[in-house]
Amino acid sequence: EAGVAQSPRYKIIEKRQSVAFWCNPISGHATLYWYQQILGQGPKLLIQFQNNGVVDDSQLPKDRFSAERLKGVDSTLKIQPAKLEDSAVYLCASSYLQGNTIYFGEGSWLTVV
Amino acid sequence: AQTVTQSQPEMSVQEAETVTLSCTYDTSESDYYLFWYKQPPSRQMILVIRQEAYKQQNATENRFSVNFQKAAKSFSLKISDSQLGDAAMYFCAYRSAGDDKIIFGKGTRLHILP
Repeated sequence: EAGVAQSPRYKIIEKRQSVAFWCNPISGHATLYWYQQILGQGPKLLIQFQNNGVVDDSQLPKDRFSAERLKGVDSTLKIQPAKLEDSAVYLCASSYLQGNTIYFGEGSWLTVV
Repeated sequence: AQTVTQSQPEMSVQEAETVTLSCTYDTSESDYYLFWYKQPPSRQMILVIRQEAYKQQNATENRFSVNFQKAAKSFSLKISDSQLGDAAMYFCAYRSAGDDKIIFGKGTRLHILP
């Protein structure tokens, strides 16, 4: 079974530029999560999708971050314009049913300079 | 709101010895799930072990076991016969059965001494 796929793995951009990360969850997983993990901290949930609907985006900085999951499968997370404090690993995760184990991708490392 | 606390930022253990990582959580819910994830330097989160709150029996996965104390809201991870490959960050996580959110602690960095 293929795991959660993320790309790009690494990205370096200058502040005020934009960046987009892509995630393809495990086949059949209805729930998709984006987490932000700053160095030395635990992951923080940015947004949670159930199929193509948003369940929770309360911690998403909506002035600069956006995410979509148009067909209920893969998802894109965008940052525009980026700030230095956005430097982090962006983890995508998916889950089959409520209560089931959440599986994580390898993450997308973002450095903003 | 639920919280997860890992009070040990770093721990060290001699290879082949046993180590216990602590985790406490706070919730008013009765139905939930608890997890331990391992995160090596590659930063991928790898599931180590999972516990359903309604189960009294402690979960075990090979060298990994938990001590789940529901009343005390404690969920510690015991690693037996520690190996060099066990060196990583370990995160305790809480998942609500209601809203499906998962909340992580701040992590414990585990060093294995040869």
